[in-house]
Amino acid sequence: NAGVTQTPKFQVLKTGQSMTLQCAQDMNHEYMSWYRQDPGMGLRLIHYSVGAGITDQGEVPNGYNVSRSTTEDFPLRLLSAAPSQTSVYFCASSQGLAGTGTQYFGPGTRLTVL
Amino acid sequence: DQQVKQNSPSLSVQEGRISILNCDYTNSMFDYFLWYKKYPAEGPTFLISISSIKDKNEDGRFTVFLNKSAKHLSLHIVPSQPGDSAVYFCAASGSGTYKYIFGTGTRLKVLA
Repeated sequence: NAGVTQTPKFQVLKTGQSMTLQCAQDMNHEYMSWYRQDPGMGLRLIHYSVGAGITDQGEVPNGYNVSRSTTEDFPLRLLSAAPSQTSVYFCASSQGLAGTGTQYFGPGTRLTVL
Repeated sequence: DQQVKQNSPSLSVQEGRISILNCDYTNSMFDYFLWYKKYPAEGPTFLISISSIKDKNEDGRFTVFLNKSAKHLSLHIVPSQPGDSAVYFCAASGSGTYKYIFGTGTRLKVLA
């Protein structure tokens, strides 16, 4: 099992550019989520999905889109990057509801927007 | 509004001594709590969890204590080892949900 994988590891964008951060898991987990980590802010939930075709917003969803067409993949799209989106992005997955399964994290993508 | 707070950004402890990391929460609907450990350039890894029906959970050198009336939990590491040096995040969730709310993290440094 590879667990949760994320690509790319590093990315530099110019303001206004778009890109997609990829996330995949091979554990057949229903729940997947995206977090961003900023200094002094901890991990903040951007969007999450409870299964293929089902997504919902987290704490800081503005500027990001997600979709979940398969159980394995949960890409995060930045339509028009802004410097405020400079951060480290983590994808995570878990099998069940909170309290029934552990959440596994990917290695992260470090994004810089100039 | 920060629902999960880790008020100590950093902590230094001598090798072999006890490390105590603290976490406070404000939402009384939270009933499941976790601690994650994070090394630089890696994703967080699950360490230990506790349900609100318990007040203590132990796993080897790691023990988590939950005080529901004070809305406070703590992670004890005994004895502390240099390899424990990392950032520790506490997280909270309500049963029946998928959403986890994380604290801001405490950077632990264990001195050899």
